[in-house]
Formats: sequence, C-alpha cells, structure tokens
Amino acid sequence: DAGVIQSPRHEVTEMGQEVTLRCKPISGHNSLFWYRQTMMRGLELLIYFNNNVPIDDSGMPEDRFSAKMPNASFSTLKIQPSEPRDSAVYFCASSRDLATGTQYFGPGTRLLVL
Amino acid sequence: DQQVKQNSPSLSVQEGRISILNCDYTNSMFDYFLWYKKYPAEGPTFLISISSIKDKNEDGRFTVFLNKSAKHLSLHIVPSQPGDSAVYFCAANGGATNKLIFGTGTLLAVQP
Repeated sequence: DAGVIQSPRHEVTEMGQEVTLRCKPISGHNSLFWYRQTMMRGLELLIYFNNNVPIDDSGMPEDRFSAKMPNASFSTLKIQPSEPRDSAVYFCASSRDLATGTQYFGPGTRLLVL
Repeated sequence: DQQVKQNSPSLSVQEGRISILNCDYTNSMFDYFLWYKKYPAEGPTFLISISSIKDKNEDGRFTVFLNKSAKHLSLHIVPSQPGDSAVYFCAANGGATNKLIFGTGTLLAVQP
C-alpha cells in the first residue's frame, strides 16, 4: 500500500516567492494534518482537516500561510510570500481515526527560502 | 506551554542492553499516547501506542508503560539494536482539541 505522498521533496526558493506543497493522504483516511518541524520549535501542527473540512487552523503562523483540501485525495499548503524564517521541513500526515490519533506521516518537504 | 515533555534530548545505549525513553505530560484529559520513531530525512513512523485505560502495552521488543498518577510514560526497547538509533517522539491525544501534541524528541544512539 502506498503511504502518504508529498511533493516536492526539496524546494529552494527566494524570499517573496510563492511556495506550494502537495500531499496525497493514504486512501480511506479521512483526516489530514500539516506539520512543520524546526530546530527551535520541534514538530508543530499547523492545520488539520476532517472529511476535507478544516477543523483547526490555530497553528497556522500568519496570513501568508493557507491550506486547502479540495477532495479526499489531495491537499495543498501554500506560503505567499515566502520568507527565510519559513525554512523548515513540512510534513503531511493522515489518519483513519481522529479519536485514537494514530497518524501516518509522509516523507516531508524540506523548504529553504533564501 | 509545553504539554508533552521529553526532558532527555539524547540517550546512548550499548547494543543488547535496555533503552528507556521517558515522557511527561501535564494535561490529565489526554487519553491516548503514542511513540513515533524518526530517521533522518524521513517522516516520523508510528511505533506503539497505549490507551489511558491500560498501564502497559507490548509489541515485540517495544513496551510502553503508562503511569497516570505521575502523568508519565516510558518506552522500553529490549534488546536494543543499532538499527534502533533514531529520534523518538512521544505524543498525546485527547483533551479539548483532540489534536496530537508531540514532545521535542529524544535522540537514541545504540552503540555496537
């Protein structure tokens, strides 16, 4: 079975550019999560969806960040405009059962904003 | 305010010995706890979990212990193997938000 798929795996961009990260969750999972990992803050939840509906976006750092889930098999995280402090590894995870919390993570997108 | 804490950033153990990774939490509403393992350049991988109604869960070489009164859980790996070298995150679910809250991770190094 395919796990969570993320693209691109690496992204290097210049400050001010738009960045779009993509995620395909595991088929049959109805919850999707976006995380960011940095040395300073560890692994922090940005936003999560349940049945394609955003449930909690309190972790989104500011208005430059937005996320969408147009259907059950695809989600995007967009940063516009990007800044050097956005450099981090961004993970997408999916879960079949929101209550028990067993989430399965993708390989991550390593973002570097110059 | 950090609700899930892993106070040891790193741990070094000899191959064949027991590895014990610790995690403390503050929110008594948490009702499900998980351990994840993470290798460099990969996403975290689910390892083992425990519900708050239990105090122990075992899966092969991995055992998780939960002490609710102390708000403490631990992961025991016996025997430790070099391939176990990774960062281990504990996480808790439940409470008002039903989100997973992660600790900061412990880097385990198993020496051959």
